Amino acid sequence: GAVVSQHPSWVICKSGTSVKIECRSLDFQATTMFWYRQFPKQSLMLMATSNEGSKATYEQGVEKDKFLINHASLTLSTLTVTSAHPEDSSFYICSASPAAPDTQYFGPGTRLTVL
Amino acid sequence: GNSVTQMEGPVTLSEEAFLTINCTYTATGYPSLFWYVQYPGEGLQLLLKATKADDKGSNKGFEATYRKETTSFHLEKGSVQVSDSAVYFCALTDAGGTSYGKLTFGQGTILTVHP
Repeated sequence: GAVVSQHPSWVICKSGTSVKIECRSLDFQATTMFWYRQFPKQSLMLMATSNEGSKATYEQGVEKDKFLINHASLTLSTLTVTSAHPEDSSFYICSASPAAPDTQYFGPGTRLTVL
Repeated sequence: GNSVTQMEGPVTLSEEAFLTINCTYTATGYPSLFWYVQYPGEGLQLLLKATKADDKGSNKGFEATYRKETTSFHLEKGSVQVSDSAVYFCALTDAGGTSYGKLTFGQGTILTVHP
């Protein structure tokens, strides 16, 4: 149980285009979903926290107009990287949390490469 | 603010060697402490956790004890296997305040175990 999927697992896009990444909790309802960014050989950095039906809360330094987060249902959150540039290339990871805030289940991540 | 510091890697060991990965933290409240593991090509998985001082988390032969006096949560395993090769992340969540439910990660430690 407690499986989180991400789609796509990897994507290559041209500079200036937008990319949408989906995060789904497959067998539980996620009260809260988190989006992280992981640079090569570095730690995960929290980008934003989203609760179903409300606006996401972004961490300091994260551009909310560039990284659009939608949490439309208790099993789906999406991250859209708008007008992507090469510096946005990274590994994006989501996690989903049921009612217990101490428990987060992580997706396998999405590798984004912007040419 | 909250922070987690892990010993720098990479760590390279022979099979059946003893493993210690140091982790210390700074937190404003009463954190829960975690170790996550990321196997090659996979998402993060919770390895173990401890929610209060002197608690010991254990799983798959790994152990870590929540030491409030030294603000530490060192990961240990008595006899590592090749299959333990992965990246290990120490993390915390704060039990209250605005960071409720948010994970703060250490920088990760790469472990490679040779036969």
